[in-house]
Amino acid sequence: DGGITQSPKYLFRKEGQNVTLSCEQNLNHDAMYWYRQDPGQGLRLIYYSQIVNDFQKGDIAEGYSVSREKKESFPLTVTSAQKNPTAFYLCASSIARQGASGYTFGSGTRLTVV
Amino acid sequence: ILNVEQSPQSLHVQEGDSTNFTCSFPSSNFYALHWYRWETAKSPEALFVMTLNGDEKKKGRISATLNTKEGYSYLYIKGSQPEDSATYLCALSSGGSYIPTFGRGTSLIVHP
Repeated sequence: DGGITQSPKYLFRKEGQNVTLSCEQNLNHDAMYWYRQDPGQGLRLIYYSQIVNDFQKGDIAEGYSVSREKKESFPLTVTSAQKNPTAFYLCASSIARQGASGYTFGSGTRLTVV
Repeated sequence: ILNVEQSPQSLHVQEGDSTNFTCSFPSSNFYALHWYRWETAKSPEALFVMTLNGDEKKKGRISATLNTKEGYSYLYIKGSQPEDSATYLCALSSGGSYIPTFGRGTSLIVHP
C-alpha cells in the first residue's frame, strides 16, 4: 500500500543535541512538507519541497534544516538552535502545486527534549 | 500568515445528532479550501478539497459547503456516530504560494 512512513514514533533528545526525523513516501508525490503541532495551535509549516534538490522555508524554519536528495525522502533535522523543540511533527506529501489535491500525512513523531 | 479560524473549538454531541462547524478565512486571493479528519493516534485524512464558490461536496454522512465571497465553509455531519469522534481541520490555499494554512481544528466527541 502506498503511504508515508515517519520514524521513530517517539524520540527523546538531550538539550544541545541535533536529531533527525525520518519521512519516506512511496506515492510518487513530487511535494513534501514538514509541520509542527503544539497544544492549542494549528499545524505550522516548517519546510517544504516541491522538487528534488530544492526546498523552501515555511513559517517557522528557524532551528530546523532539511534535505531532499531523493524524491521519496525528506528528513528533518532539529538542531540545537531550536529553542523549543518539544512538539509533535507531521510529514505530508502531495502532487506538486497541491492546491487542487489534498495532502497525505504520516502518523507523526513526538519529540521530547529531556 | 493567513488567518484561518475554526469554530467551535470543541463540540460534544449525542449519537444520532446532526452537527456542523465553521471554517472562516480571508476571501481575497482564494485558491482552495481543504477539510481533514484527524482521529486520535492516526494520520490526518483528507475529506474534501473545494475550489469553486458554491461548491458542495459529500462523503457518506459528511458534507461541506463553500462560500468564497464571504470567506467561510461549513462541515456537516448527519446522524453522528461515535466513530466520527475526531478533530476536523480546515486549511486554506491562496494564490501566491498555494501551501495551505491550517486552522486550529474543531474537536468533535460523539457520546453513545
